[in-house]
Amino acid sequence: DADVTQTPRNRITKTGKRIMLECSQTKGHDRMYWYRQDPGLGLQLIYYSFDVKDINKGEISDGYSVSRQAQAKFSLSLESAIPNQTALYFCATSDALGGGTGELFFGEGSRLTVL
Amino acid sequence: LAKTTQPISMDSYEGQEVNITCSHNNIATNDYITWYQQFPSQGPRFIIQGYKTKVTNEVASLFIPADRKSSTLSLPRVSLSDTAVYYCLVGDRRLNNDMRFGAGTRLTVKP
Repeated sequence: DADVTQTPRNRITKTGKRIMLECSQTKGHDRMYWYRQDPGLGLQLIYYSFDVKDINKGEISDGYSVSRQAQAKFSLSLESAIPNQTALYFCATSDALGGGTGELFFGEGSRLTVL
Repeated sequence: LAKTTQPISMDSYEGQEVNITCSHNNIATNDYITWYQQFPSQGPRFIIQGYKTKVTNEVASLFIPADRKSSTLSLPRVSLSDTAVYYCLVGDRRLNNDMRFGAGTRLTVKP
């Protein structure tokens, strides 16, 4: 089983619908991140969280919200989806407190299409 | 936050050594330099990290000059499977906050 699991892996929805992408991790990491990637472009940081009570905006938080339900779970919501939110979304975790490299571990991605 | 600048794309041939340079002029004292590799439709994966001088692991080397305002990822004897996008990130690995990837360098290895 993957250490960082994203659901759903693929989703097609319509403009105006509410969508939630979920991320869960078994790595025991404190930090979790949501990124968005448009075709042929780099990753853009949407939100990140250091623990359950800490949520921070990234580069492109407008139109998105997040919830850190537990250390292992971090959800991304699109309250009213629009076509330009069609993208590949990645969840990532890191263990910045462990004295290591702070390496980011990514999930397999959730491909969202908004019609 | 230290902004990074990388070439948009590079081409190489199998068996050659590839060097990808990243500029980070406003790197802070506590910042480390980390490189990631991404294949299409997959999340990036960690390649190497360094603070100064040279770091080498089983897949790459990272060269960092004394002023730390740039770094070079070196991939020895590339193969077709090294075709990917490579990202340079600069940040405090203890904080690991606001980890931004930028556009990366798209490396194409040709036969």
